[in-house]
Amino acid sequence: GAVVSQHPSRVICKSGTSVKIECRSLDFQATTMFWYRQFPKQSLMLMATSNEGSKATYEQGVEKDKFLINHASLTLSTLTVTSAHPEDSSFYICSARQLADSYEQYFGPGTRLTVT
Amino acid sequence: GQNIDQPTEMTATEGAIVQINCTYQTSGFNGLFWYQQHAGEAPTFLSYNVLDGLEEKGRFSSFLSRSKGYSYLLLKELQMKDSASYLCAVLDSNYQLIWGAGTKLIIKP
Repeated sequence: GAVVSQHPSRVICKSGTSVKIECRSLDFQATTMFWYRQFPKQSLMLMATSNEGSKATYEQGVEKDKFLINHASLTLSTLTVTSAHPEDSSFYICSARQLADSYEQYFGPGTRLTVT
Repeated sequence: GQNIDQPTEMTATEGAIVQINCTYQTSGFNGLFWYQQHAGEAPTFLSYNVLDGLEEKGRFSSFLSRSKGYSYLLLKELQMKDSASYLCAVLDSNYQLIWGAGTKLIIKP
């Protein structure tokens, strides 16, 4: 089956620093990748949609200068949280869509970010 | 606007059957997904319905009525490991997933 990996799985950083999260589709080419954020006991919130080779489309209320997304290849997308603050602490999940599939999104295992 | 409603929390007994409902109002419809999410983990795919009717897959079944904007996930022979949140999501006309808030299912022995 389609596998998506994320790295790191957990990260703790100090306020004001930047953190990069990688999302990789391991056995398929993903023309579209999605980045979600999930706060405790809440549902997934789509942050941005990323198509390979083009700029990401951000959802309303998501700062594109704070959450930098790069989708440089068909198997890799990165999310960089710049100048992180404690309120950015959350569970970040990526997913990838394989165009030929039934529009199902394959999820990575998630990254737990804690900003101190 | 787009809206997906599902109960916040449900409780059921091990070995029993539980039905989790989902109603939706979206701009267009290209299918409805059910995902299972254990605490601290990413969602895992359970089912996809795009046509009306019941799709059965082992202990889990999913039903869709497009005219009513309604779906349910049926879980049979409940096991303790089924304790999780169940997320309903609709693929809208832009092929973007619109997520419900999830239903936390608690299984008691």
